[in-house]
Amino acid sequence: NAGVTQTPKFRVLKTGQSMTLLCAQDMNHEYMYWYRQDPGMGLRLIHYSVGEGTTAKGEVPDGYNVSRLKKQNFLLGLESAAPSQTSVYFCASSYSSTTYEQYFGPGTRLTVT
Amino acid sequence: LAKTTQPISMDSYEGQEVNITCSHNNIATNDYITWYQQFPSQGPRFIIQGYKTKVTNEVASLFIPADRKSSTLSLPRVSLSDTAVYYCLVGETGYSTLTFGKGTMLLVSP
Repeated sequence: NAGVTQTPKFRVLKTGQSMTLLCAQDMNHEYMYWYRQDPGMGLRLIHYSVGEGTTAKGEVPDGYNVSRLKKQNFLLGLESAAPSQTSVYFCASSYSSTTYEQYFGPGTRLTVT
Repeated sequence: LAKTTQPISMDSYEGQEVNITCSHNNIATNDYITWYQQFPSQGPRFIIQGYKTKVTNEVASLFIPADRKSSTLSLPRVSLSDTAVYYCLVGETGYSTLTFGKGTMLLVSP
């Protein structure tokens, strides 16, 4: 049982490049989330999904897109990376909407130059 | 979501009990109080959640007074490995609204 995994762990992009971050969970959770964390800040919600085929915007969705084609996977895409998107990205999942217990992945450190 | 206020940092020594207080004056009737722990270079980890009075698990206790305008996370006999950032979150349980503030950086020294 790996829990929540994220790929890749590190990535450096040039401004304007695109990339996709992959999140996978093996706990059969319905809900999945993408957050970003900047130095000295708490986590901010980018997008989330309440089930396969659904997505919704969080607090800071601009510049990102997501897809949830399979229940266990949640993809975060950057179509045209900007230096402001340099951050650590965390994926999380939860089994229910009646709890705030979310399970987080190890994070992806992204640098945009 | 109710706004939370917690100390930016706290210092302690090994073996001591640590109490971190969080203020949430505008907490709503349906809101729960949740605490997370985050170590450097790791994702946050759920510690405890409660609605009123006292909740205890193997890691911590959560004390919530009757007016629910504040809460206290209590860590018994801390060790060096408890050095981390602790986040207090308040909101109605649901999938869309986990909002993390800046948290409290707890430093445990020998």
